[in-house]
Amino acid sequence: ILNVEQSPQSLHVQEGDSTNFTCSFPSSNFYALHWYRWETAKSPEALFVMTLNGDEKKKGRISATLNTKEGYSYLYIKGSQPEDSATYLCAFGGGGTSYGKLTFGQGTILTVHP
Amino acid sequence: GAVVSQHPSWVICKSGTSVKIECRSLDFQATTMFWYRQFPKQSLMLMATSNEGSKATYEQGVEKDKFLINHASLTLSTLTVTSAHPEDSSFYICSAPNQPDTQYFGPGTRLTVL
Repeated sequence: ILNVEQSPQSLHVQEGDSTNFTCSFPSSNFYALHWYRWETAKSPEALFVMTLNGDEKKKGRISATLNTKEGYSYLYIKGSQPEDSATYLCAFGGGGTSYGKLTFGQGTILTVHP
Repeated sequence: GAVVSQHPSWVICKSGTSVKIECRSLDFQATTMFWYRQFPKQSLMLMATSNEGSKATYEQGVEKDKFLINHASLTLSTLTVTSAHPEDSSFYICSAPNQPDTQYFGPGTRLTVL
């Protein structure tokens, strides 16, 4: 059983604060690491798909880094806004016969207070 | 683009009845779709891979006779929970790949079995 862990489980920040979350995953049979943003009653929104060790990706105020050798990824949000409040999921995607199948962490629930 | 819909968004049924959940890719074709479920306080867990034109493949521990999957066309996969029992109450969500390496998710279906 693959183990994907996210920390912290939940986070409360004030508007304007910058924050970051961690995702740890197996370093073997790695193909891709996915980050999703999930608001209640909506579909999870794909933020990043990262495949290369050392990858850094950015989308507006959100960015992510990837270290496949040690099995971790960080998601950063700069200048948090109330609309950033959501659950952030990471998911490990394996290669070979596991291609396309995702193993998810439990998520980090972010609440941004005005 | 890359929108996935699910229907119904929630359903309540009596124990022993069967429930069908539909997953549609609205603006792209998907030869493969994935079904996940999430129990309270747990992460999304892959149940099965739905394959257009061939049998679904199930993850270990998932009963194929209980969770019937039919991938009727390139835009539709259905999951039928047969003879549902209270322990099948869960959140069911599907995904379909579109762009390389990216999975797009539906909004999910909340099933409650009384």
